[in-house]
Amino acid sequence: DVVMTQSPLSLPVTLGQPASISCRSSQSLVHNDGNTYLNWFQQRPGQSPRRLIYKVSNRDSGVPDRFSGSGSGTDFTLKISRVEAVDVGVYYCMQSTHWPPYTFGQGTKLEIK
Amino acid sequence: EVQLAESGGGLVKPGGSLRLSCVTSGFLFSSHTMNWVRQAPGKGLEWVSSISNRGDYIYYADSVKGRFTISRDNAKNSLYLQMNSLRAEDTAMYYCARDWASNPFSNWGQGTLVTVSS
Repeated sequence: DVVMTQSPLSLPVTLGQPASISCRSSQSLVHNDGNTYLNWFQQRPGQSPRRLIYKVSNRDSGVPDRFSGSGSGTDFTLKISRVEAVDVGVYYCMQSTHWPPYTFGQGTKLEIK
Repeated sequence: EVQLAESGGGLVKPGGSLRLSCVTSGFLFSSHTMNWVRQAPGKGLEWVSSISNRGDYIYYADSVKGRFTISRDNAKNSLYLQMNSLRAEDTAMYYCARDWASNPFSNWGQGTLVTVSS
């Protein structure tokens, strides 16, 4: 199974400042079809998860453009250009290239400093 | 609007059984792969099972294989998870989630809590 490793696991950020979360996979996430199936999810306190990004850098409908995803191969990053209070929560990366199983990172808890 | 609503959770003793349901609306259910994902209290997300749109392809996590059965009724726009031989480690919030255009978990329900305890 592909192991997904996120860092940091805790991320205190000042409002209005940028934030960055790293996600590394134990093997390349490039699929035979040429796509890279790396996803990012946000889970606000007390809420269900919500997908933000699919295929590395594609934002889901309704996701603010302050969220961006990048990376390739085994190294990926989720960036928030200017953190807002509504961004507090836990962020997960997940690979869907080598499934089953789908595998998630441990989660990164973003909080306001 | 896409909606997914889970139900059927509750308190069950170890070794017991439970059947979860996920009723959907707002999209053509029969066209989408569906999934169950769970989250133990205070822990991260864990994929449980997936079923293709016609039910002909089914996959399980090793942790539930042989104990859980995923199924769907396209006429009722509903997804199910039959959980047998439940263990304490199955205690979690269980979410159903929809795939879209080969990209997984595009939409999630609000979850239903399963607690396995004597």
